[in-house]
Amino acid sequence: SQTIHQWPATLVQPVGSPLSLECTVEGTSNPNLYWYRQAAGRGLQLLFYSVGIGQISSEVPQNLSASRPQDRQFILSSKKLLLSDSGFYLCAWSGAGGRETQYFGPGTRLLVL
Amino acid sequence: SQQGEEDPQALSIQEGENATMNCSYKTSINNLQWYRQNSGRGLVHLILIRSNEREKHSGRLRVTLDTSKKSSSLLITASRAADTASYFCATPRGGGGFKTIFGAGTRLFVKA
Repeated sequence: SQTIHQWPATLVQPVGSPLSLECTVEGTSNPNLYWYRQAAGRGLQLLFYSVGIGQISSEVPQNLSASRPQDRQFILSSKKLLLSDSGFYLCAWSGAGGRETQYFGPGTRLLVL
Repeated sequence: SQQGEEDPQALSIQEGENATMNCSYKTSINNLQWYRQNSGRGLVHLILIRSNEREKHSGRLRVTLDTSKKSSSLLITASRAADTASYFCATPRGGGGFKTIFGAGTRLFVKA
């Protein structure tokens, strides 16, 4: 069966520090991968998605970047965090070829102080 | 504005009552999904209904889709305290492919 992992679960970082959040998927090949951000009590904002290794599409201009160094690994990064980067970050995967259902990781809560 | 918008934003009911949440969307879709999120957790897929379906059931869940009104509803029957969560509808973003737009969600609180 497929599983998706995210770490860390919680992170407190000072403004201006770098960020690296990792997401890995097991039990499937060539998944579509997604990074979302969720503000408290709100819906999900799609940040990045990837259909394959090295293929990254950005949805909104921001202080973040994403990379996909391996088929089932998706990394969210920042060189210098801003206060506004605080939020709940969710990684998700879906089957290749436009499969609709997305499967979410447990999320990382980031607090930038 | 978002493709899918849920209504109400929040709902508080007693255990055993039914809970109904609505979702409206703007553009034509080929499917609509409902997800659930427990506080501080990831989303869990509940049900997908296709544009050629009007109603779908899964356990205590009943989803309807009215493409003429561009709306969907999620009914949870005989609610339990464990149903307390946020519920999101999700629709494909225009242009095809696999990108999905999530609404802001309905926060359901079921009192024991």
